[in-house]
Amino acid sequence: SQQGEEDPQALSIQEGENATMNCSYKTSINNLQWYRQNSGRGLVHLILIRSNEREKHSGRLRVTLDTSKKSSSLLITASRAADTASYFCATDPRRGGKLIFGQGTELSVKP
Amino acid sequence: EADIYQTPRYLVIGTGKKITLECSQTMGHDKMYWYQQDPGMELHLIHYSYGVNSTEKGDLSSESTVSRIRTEHFPLTLESARPSHTSQYLCASSPLGPSGKGQAGNTIYFGEGSWLTVV
Repeated sequence: SQQGEEDPQALSIQEGENATMNCSYKTSINNLQWYRQNSGRGLVHLILIRSNEREKHSGRLRVTLDTSKKSSSLLITASRAADTASYFCATDPRRGGKLIFGQGTELSVKP
Repeated sequence: EADIYQTPRYLVIGTGKKITLECSQTMGHDKMYWYQQDPGMELHLIHYSYGVNSTEKGDLSSESTVSRIRTEHFPLTLESARPSHTSQYLCASSPLGPSGKGQAGNTIYFGEGSWLTVV
């Protein structure tokens, strides 16, 4: 199975609410990245957190990493309708050399 | 915006036809990738390359082939398309990590994708 598994698979919230997505992985990693994909488009890199970091912020995004639990979360604060997209975590394993993508969380933000 | 371009964006072809999906990047990246993604599903790596004349099979077996004659160009070819090849194909690139082939610590830049429908 994939290294990265995301939860929930789908999330529907109202504009202004916060959205939290979780990612779990299985092996040791160098870093973990989050990507966004609008419907029918390519993926866009959002944020990278290294294995020695616990939390990182970028605008309305907040990412946490717990290497002891092998998990990460992405929080989008004050969500907007334009945040509607699929969000993927990708892990860079210590052994392997290639990013491994999870199944993604489909976020729907209703105006 | 990433400087990586895919053509065509949308293609409908008949079974048995040969097709080539083009991918070019102007960022000078050594590593390039092809992913296959069905709607609403995860990405599957089908091919990657560390540089010119380097090509490797990905995690998902694919009947497609790739070539890397120039750094900026990484085309994918299907010799005889079948309906089971209907999918979205995403090209991507990244610079080599500080440890060369062994590390993938840099951001991956994706193209907009090519939607292939085989009828």
